[in-house]
Amino acid sequence: NAGVTQTPKFQVLKTGQSMTLQCAQDMNHEYMSWYRQDPGMGLRLIHYSVGAGITDQGEVPNGYNVSRSTTEDFPLRLLSAAPSQTSVYFCASSQTSGSGSVPETQYFGPGTRLLVL
Amino acid sequence: SQKIEQNSEALNIQEGKTATLTCNYTNYSPAYLQWYRQDPGRGPVFLLLIRENEKEKRKERLKVTFDTTLKQSLFHITASQPADSATYLCALYRGGKLIFGQGTELSVKP
Repeated sequence: NAGVTQTPKFQVLKTGQSMTLQCAQDMNHEYMSWYRQDPGMGLRLIHYSVGAGITDQGEVPNGYNVSRSTTEDFPLRLLSAAPSQTSVYFCASSQTSGSGSVPETQYFGPGTRLLVL
Repeated sequence: SQKIEQNSEALNIQEGKTATLTCNYTNYSPAYLQWYRQDPGRGPVFLLLIRENEKEKRKERLKVTFDTTLKQSLFHITASQPADSATYLCALYRGGKLIFGQGTELSVKP
């Protein structure tokens, strides 16, 4: 198993440009999520999904869109990049338990380092 | 909204000692709490999960306690080794969301 993969590893954007960060997992996990990590801020939840066709907002969703058309993929779209979106982005996936689709152990990808100029 | 606080200052200890990291939270009690390890330039790696009805969990040299009255979790590494040096993150789950603290950097000196 490749686990959770993220592309690209590193990206430089100009303010106003759009782009999609890719995330894929091959563990048949229902729950997937996107986090951003900034120095001293820890991981902050952007969006998450409990299954194909279902997404919801996290702590810091503004400026980002997600969709979940398949179980395997969970892309994150930056609509109009801003310098404040310079960060390291992590995607994670998890098995779920119970009727409420509760995530268990999160498996993280290697991250995408994004610089917005 | 839920607020999670971990020691912001780095923790420096001598090899062989026990490291104790703290995770405090406000507002509602989480359904469970997790601890992760993160090395520089890499994604977090899961270590332990403890549920709201559990007081303590152990795994090899790791021990986690969960006090819902104090709204606090303690993470212990016994017989610490230089290889344990990393940033340790706690995360709380409630209502579909897994929310992380800012992490505590641990440095174990030989």
